[in-house]
Amino acid sequence: DAKTTQPPSMDCAEGRAANLPCNHSTISGNEYVYWYRQIHSQGPQYIIHGLKNNETNEMASLIITEDRKSSTLILPHATLRDTAVYYCIVRNINAGNNRKLIWGLGTSLAVNP
Amino acid sequence: DGGITQSPKYLFRKEGQNVTLSCEQNLNHDAMYWYRQDPGQGLRLIYYSQIVNDFQKGDIAEGYSVSREKKESFPLTVTSAQKNPTAFYLCASSGTSQETQYFGPGTRLLVL
Repeated sequence: DAKTTQPPSMDCAEGRAANLPCNHSTISGNEYVYWYRQIHSQGPQYIIHGLKNNETNEMASLIITEDRKSSTLILPHATLRDTAVYYCIVRNINAGNNRKLIWGLGTSLAVNP
Repeated sequence: DGGITQSPKYLFRKEGQNVTLSCEQNLNHDAMYWYRQDPGQGLRLIYYSQIVNDFQKGDIAEGYSVSREKKESFPLTVTSAQKNPTAFYLCASSGTSQETQYFGPGTRLLVL
């Protein structure tokens, strides 16, 4: 599975959009981009995933570049409850029996009042 | 409510003791996973199971054991062979091993 690179930390003002970047320059054609977040001392929460098209759900939007080498998670109106560590993961769902998630260190997002 | 439950929330282990962490899901998922998280780190896979009565080692299986006798349950035993067991343990499940994984609230294991 391809590795990802994320900034270690970011700040965002409450009510503004939070744009979290992720670099996955070695991604292959059958690897999806997944985003999870983890609030302190809780289990990770699934946010969104995509292959090549942009995706949107009730939590966030995922923008994937045309060459698929990077993506951005957008929280349109960040609240204090969005303060968490955000993990970008690429995953080959067809990689035999071991379709595990490979976790990096993520981006620690602080939403400030 | 459908979901994944883990118990206990905190667990204390004495030297040389085996302890078992519980993970139950009522999502009718076939696949279940155990991860370990150390402070400031990402998650690492311990064991996973794609179906009842079958499981495979992940990246850091030494010192751990699992069973999958029922679809909804995937308990993890931390044995005395695990020399550094203090960590946050997370259980996850997915419909199949190809689908999105959903996580429980975690169990924090501490050594006395």
